Amino acid sequence: DADVTQTPRNRITKTGKRIMLECSQTKGHDRMYWYRQDPGLGLQLIYYSFDVKDINKGEISDGYSVSRQAQAKFSLSLESAIPNQTALYFCATSDSGGGEQFFGPGTRLTVL
Amino acid sequence: GESVGLHLPTLSVQEGDNSIINCAYSNSASDYFIWYKQESGKGPQFIIDIRSNMDKRQGQRVTVLLNKTVKHLSLQIAATQPGDSAVYFCAERAGNMLTFGGGTRLMVKP
Repeated sequence: DADVTQTPRNRITKTGKRIMLECSQTKGHDRMYWYRQDPGLGLQLIYYSFDVKDINKGEISDGYSVSRQAQAKFSLSLESAIPNQTALYFCATSDSGGGEQFFGPGTRLTVL
Repeated sequence: GESVGLHLPTLSVQEGDNSIINCAYSNSASDYFIWYKQESGKGPQFIIDIRSNMDKRQGQRVTVLLNKTVKHLSLQIAATQPGDSAVYFCAERAGNMLTFGGGTRLMVKP
């Protein structure tokens, strides 16, 4: 079984809709991250969480919110989706040492 | 590394040749570095890491070199194969937080 899972894997939605992307991990890691990747570009950090009561903005947090429901779960929400949020979204986890991050398989989101 | 707002630079190599992918990191206090490989449609996967007290580390067909004087990291892939075609990211850790560089696309020609 995969250590970091993301649901859904693909989602097509319309402008203005609220969308939630979910991430679960079985690695027992304290830290979780959400990244966005546009076609042909690098990873941009949206939000990260160092433990259940900790939420931090990354470099591109506008238009997004997150919830850390438990150590193993970190969800990303788009309150009102817009077309330029069409991208690949990755969740990642790491231990508290800030070392290797383990990535999920990604969610491909299309906003029409 | 490259700005994440720019398209990824591309390195094109012939199958069987050696590949060298470079990364300029930003923080002289970084103490740990990782190279990741991302295949199309997949999440990044760990390849090899190196701590700042080392200047070279070898894995299977891959070598990472670290030059702290000029803040430069490189990934060398020996005998490049079609399966090596991917995007490669470097990452540096400073202040207990890992940050990613912009990435390089490696294309392997048959």
